[in-house]
Amino acid sequence: DSGVTQTPKHLITATGQRVTLRCSPRSGDLSVYWYQQSLDQGLQFLIHYYNGEERAKGNILERFSAQQFPDLHSELNLSSLELGDSALYFCASSPAGGGYNEQFFGPGTRLTVL
Amino acid sequence: GESVGLHLPTLSVQEGDNSIINCAYSNSASDYFIWYKQESGKGPQFIIDIRSNMDKRQGQRVTVLLNKTVKHLSLQIAATQPGDSAVYFCAENQAGTALIFGKGTTLSVSS
Repeated sequence: DSGVTQTPKHLITATGQRVTLRCSPRSGDLSVYWYQQSLDQGLQFLIHYYNGEERAKGNILERFSAQQFPDLHSELNLSSLELGDSALYFCASSPAGGGYNEQFFGPGTRLTVL
Repeated sequence: GESVGLHLPTLSVQEGDNSIINCAYSNSASDYFIWYKQESGKGPQFIIDIRSNMDKRQGQRVTVLLNKTVKHLSLQIAATQPGDSAVYFCAENQAGTALIFGKGTTLSVSS
């Protein structure tokens, strides 16, 4: 158990809908990272937040957004969902804002868009 | 395109053998590399990391080798056990923040 929690574990929804994925980092970690894992693209970095502020963006679609709250939990919002958004979504946390830091991954949320 | 990749998508070994999983990276500016293990239905789990100022780092039953000249990374697992069966990813750190992952190698250990 990494100490990172994610809810829900599974999510099934329809195209065009909007969903919110939630992540609670390890106690004391200030950074939260979101990744998408699909069969054809592997693990892709989406976005990084540090202590409530956005630090970096990766391959995140404009339909997707995220935020980190004062209690350091983070939410990833996915809107206007398409079939191709079906994937595993992981969040990871680390103590600091970057550099040589191990990232601890949560168990993931499996999103299925029908 | 990807900056980190693995040479083989699958690797099958016998229990007790040593396993070597390889990875090539393309960005010579990357200065931090991590190996992760992902079991079915779980998130990636940290195995070992190495900074670019090192050539080798050892952990418990695992060794990571870094060859900066040819931009190659390898993970060696000694005395491979059935519990080592998983997908292994190498990742590189660019710009001090995001991890860039390769596609992974599936290690199958038969007893």
